[in-house]
Amino acid sequence: EPEVTQTPSHQVTQMGQEVILRCVPISNHLYFYWYRQILGQKVEFLVSFYNNEISEKSEIFDDQFSVERPDGSNFTLKIRSTKLEDSAMYFCASKPPGTSHTDTQYFGPGTRLTVL
Amino acid sequence: DQQVKQNSPSLSVQEGRISILNCDYTNSMFDYFLWYKKYPAEGPTFLISISSIKDKNEDGRFTVFLNKSAKHLSLHIVPSQPGDSAVYFCAARADMNRDDKIIFGKGTRLHILP
Repeated sequence: EPEVTQTPSHQVTQMGQEVILRCVPISNHLYFYWYRQILGQKVEFLVSFYNNEISEKSEIFDDQFSVERPDGSNFTLKIRSTKLEDSAMYFCASKPPGTSHTDTQYFGPGTRLTVL
Repeated sequence: DQQVKQNSPSLSVQEGRISILNCDYTNSMFDYFLWYKKYPAEGPTFLISISSIKDKNEDGRFTVFLNKSAKHLSLHIVPSQPGDSAVYFCAARADMNRDDKIIFGKGTRLHILP
């Protein structure tokens, strides 16, 4: 069964450094998302991406964040200058092509980002 | 801003009995509700969903009930099995301007006891 994959599984970085989290969505999916979960808190929406542009972003997704689909398979989340509060589990999700917003989003296993 | 609330952080249920997980929401614009299951070190896995035009949806051992007037939904698992031990997230979506982001609750950790 196809699945969303994410690399690395764990990323440790120093505050102020740039990180790139990578995701490979399911191959025929066209809608892509990033969510994050700070330890002990709920999963929060960051950004949605469709047709090579951001569809929607949350208040969390400020100028330090960016997303890119550099080729036909990868979907990346970049944090330009990490802060301690960026430490969280980051989940990528994708959704198949369809006309209904009720189509299911499939989540990857997550990347744990630790900012020191 | 807790639009989706799961007030029970954890729940323990005997194997073979019914597990009932509850969820409340505040946004009347939500028109689609989902339950996700999450094991440690894995991403959320879609379990079951319900549209706001329905009050019940059943899939095998899993049934979701929706009470729109009370802004409440619940997930019933019967019979509960050891593999059901996981964190369960209630989630919602609103069809506003084709917005399809998922808004999650904080989750309820379900322990199935032998």
